[in-house]
Amino acid sequence: KAGVTQTPRYLIKTRGQQVTLSCSPISGHRSVSWYQQTPGQGLQFLFEYFSETQRNKGNFPGRFSGRQFSNSRSEMNVSTLELGDSALYLCASSLTSGLGINIQYFGAGTRLSVL
Amino acid sequence: AQSVAQPEDQVNVAEGNPLTVKCTYSVSGNPYLFWYVQYPNRGLQFLLKYITGDNLVKGSYGFEAEFNKSQTSFHLKKPSALVSDSALYFCAVRDGGGYGQNFVFGPGTRLSVLP
Repeated sequence: KAGVTQTPRYLIKTRGQQVTLSCSPISGHRSVSWYQQTPGQGLQFLFEYFSETQRNKGNFPGRFSGRQFSNSRSEMNVSTLELGDSALYLCASSLTSGLGINIQYFGAGTRLSVL
Repeated sequence: AQSVAQPEDQVNVAEGNPLTVKCTYSVSGNPYLFWYVQYPNRGLQFLLKYITGDNLVKGSYGFEAEFNKSQTSFHLKKPSALVSDSALYFCAVRDGGGYGQNFVFGPGTRLSVLP
């Protein structure tokens, strides 16, 4: 079974631009979560999508948004990029959401560099 | 609010010796606890989880973790370290009374196993 696939692996953008990252979850997984990883802040939760609906949201500005499609694939968008948005963006998928305990399986991440 | 602390930024251990990576947590409800490992330029890989039951949890690659409710700790252990265990280790918690997959991760501990 294929794992979580994130594309692209690397991105270089300039300040003010926008960027879209893509995540394909493990087949059959319906929950997709996004995290930002930086050396200073560590791993921070961005948001979770389940059945095309945002279930949870972390403490990030509105420039960060996402969506999920009917096939559970998810995209994350960052508008008006800032230098501080440079990070490794990780996507994780799990079977379901809710009160059940589901292991999150992570993709390799997209490394975004903002110049 | 949930929180996770990993008091050691770096742990060094000689190959063949036992290793411990420490984690303490704070949640309002019952804790669901996880350990993940991250190798360079890779996403996070699941090692083990504690939901309920035995306080000693066995996971992948010979790792185990001990849940201690009174000390609110969930330390990761391995009886005999391998050089290939060198990586970044993350402890994560989710409030059992919470909804959704918004895990809170600790800052990470870099484990170096010396030959």
